[in-house]
Amino acid sequence: GENVEQHPSTLSVQEGDSAVIKCTYSDSASNYFPWYKQELGKRPQLIIDIRSNVGEKKDQRIAVTLNKTAKHFSLHITETQPEDSAVYFCAASRSGNKLVFGAGTILRVKS
Amino acid sequence: GAVVSQHPSWVICKSGTSVKIECRSLDFQATTMFWYRQFPKQSLMLMATSNEGSKATYEQGVEKDKFLINHASLTLSTLTVTSAHPEDSSFYICSARDQRGGLLEKLFFGSGTQLSVL
Repeated sequence: GENVEQHPSTLSVQEGDSAVIKCTYSDSASNYFPWYKQELGKRPQLIIDIRSNVGEKKDQRIAVTLNKTAKHFSLHITETQPEDSAVYFCAASRSGNKLVFGAGTILRVKS
Repeated sequence: GAVVSQHPSWVICKSGTSVKIECRSLDFQATTMFWYRQFPKQSLMLMATSNEGSKATYEQGVEKDKFLINHASLTLSTLTVTSAHPEDSSFYICSARDQRGGLLEKLFFGSGTQLSVL
């Protein structure tokens, strides 16, 4: 089955700097890669997703890149703000199949 | 995005009792819902896939007689933790796929239920 690894487990950045979180997956047939943001005690919120037919997707300060050959994808947050502080999860799945989540990254943005 | 409602938000119960958690898709129909368990500072662990009108599919290591799942309609799935024990204390969270407009894979989560078993 699919296995998703996520790094780093914690990340501290200064406000205004960029943050990058990386994930690798094992199933070459996976074709859907979402990223979720979870604040303490809250539900995970979908912030961006990418399908395997594109290499990059951007939404304002957030972007995701996908390298199918290497089987890894990354989340990029630019101009970080204190409200970006949360736990971020990557995930992977084949179409219609269950999502497998990474272990999560605690992002702290210091002001 | 689609709205998934989960109740209750938190529950405290005595050891040996059963607890029912409801998950509803408010503005869309969900033939498939998922139940996850999350321990503090850990990832989301899939417990089971709830299928409308059929039996749930449980992940390896999850006791189906312990965690009863019912998906009787296209908008409601329930998880019942039977004979709860302290080790069942956890954050339980459901999710549902919104398949409208080609959004086949997008998962939307409920607000979660914090279960504390005394």
